[in-house]
Amino acid sequence: EDQVTQSPEALRLQEGESSSLNCSYTVSGLRGLFWYRQDPGKGPEFLFTLYSAGEEKEKERLKATLTKKESFLHITAPKPEDSATYLCAIPAGGYQKVTFGTGTKLQVIP
Amino acid sequence: EAQVTQNPRYLITVTGKKLTVTCSQNMNHEYMSWYRQDPGLGLRQIYYSMNVEVTDKGDVPEGYKVSRKEKRNFPLILESPSPNQTSLYFCASSLGGANGYTFGSGTRLTVV
Repeated sequence: EDQVTQSPEALRLQEGESSSLNCSYTVSGLRGLFWYRQDPGKGPEFLFTLYSAGEEKEKERLKATLTKKESFLHITAPKPEDSATYLCAIPAGGYQKVTFGTGTKLQVIP
Repeated sequence: EAQVTQNPRYLITVTGKKLTVTCSQNMNHEYMSWYRQDPGLGLRQIYYSMNVEVTDKGDVPEGYKVSRKEKRNFPLILESPSPNQTSLYFCASSLGGANGYTFGSGTRLTVV
């Protein structure tokens, strides 16, 4: 059964303090891995798709990387507006049947 | 503006009273999906649709129905809601492949 596990559940950072979020997965044949950001009371917002081990994607202060067993979301010099829950997800059986992790709630303190 | 629109945003209903949550997208996306989000359990897929008249079960389809009669609309139907269906529901759409989903703003459903 396909599984996605995210850690830590919650992370509190000072503004400017860089860190990484982890997403480990088990799937029979990876077709890609998605990262989303979710603000309180809103729907998730798509950030990245990573297709293969070694791939990296960047957006502002975020950089996502992928290995054969896990993905990392690196946050460089975060700002308070980066506070959100970050979700990773994998397609299973086809791109439209998607399994999500439970997320990492990030709080960046000024 | 490209968006997924869900209605209503909030709904309180009683056990057994049939309800429909509507979802519409204006991006001409082929793929649409419904999720529920519960504390500690994360987002779980209820149903998804690959095209008009083509739907399939996600991980938690019991107690729900969907239909896709038009490309833009994908309503979620609860024929006989129960308290364990109290949750935050999201509709989403996608171009397909690995483009990722665009999510609606959510519907908070309470069944008493």
